[in-house]
Amino acid sequence: QQPVQSPQAVILREGEDAVINCSSSKALYSVHWYRQKHGEAPVFLMILLKGGEQKGHEKISASFNEKKQQSSLYLTASQLSYSGTYFCGTERGDDKIIFGKGTRLHILP
Amino acid sequence: DVKVTQSSRYLVKRTGEKVFLECVQDMDHENMFWYRQDPGLGLRLIYFSYDVKMKEKGDIPEGYSVSREKKERFSLILESASTNQTSMYLCASSPLGWRGSYEQYFGPGTRLTVT
Repeated sequence: QQPVQSPQAVILREGEDAVINCSSSKALYSVHWYRQKHGEAPVFLMILLKGGEQKGHEKISASFNEKKQQSSLYLTASQLSYSGTYFCGTERGDDKIIFGKGTRLHILP
Repeated sequence: DVKVTQSSRYLVKRTGEKVFLECVQDMDHENMFWYRQDPGLGLRLIYFSYDVKMKEKGDIPEGYSVSREKKERFSLILESASTNQTSMYLCASSPLGWRGSYEQYFGPGTRLTVT
């Protein structure tokens, strides 16, 4: 079952902040975040592991609430280059990464 | 840089044809994945392989099979293509790690149209 992402889409002005949420009905071992620009492959942003370890992008932050099976991606002082579709991927203990339906982010100048 | 390549960017096939989508990675990764991407549905896992000749079904394996004879190559096979398999197909690879602890590297995708 796919994790649920919210919101489905968001429009911001350059410099504004955004939060993208990802939740699962199953226990999670890790949460991945990727960004995909139109016509391109998804690109890795961050991994959050059970137990608190994080790997990824210096300018993007995220949280992982293991008890609630939720993760949030925080985009602060958004830039035009942040536009794209953001996917969270969850690993539920079987080594497969299952992705959500995506959140479309559009940044206006 | 890790490179994941897919045999075609665009492919047009007829209903009933057997279709092969090839994926090659050059970083000696153990894990390889096939996803399909459709508008509004995100990335859905078709098959996963964690070693040569090993495979596991993802969420939507019906109508597909896979082959992994060499570590660097993972093929997706549509035995008899149907119009509902028209989609973007993405291949990815990652090192072997505990519980998804390594990022996935994606190929550029193959846009398959079945007419």
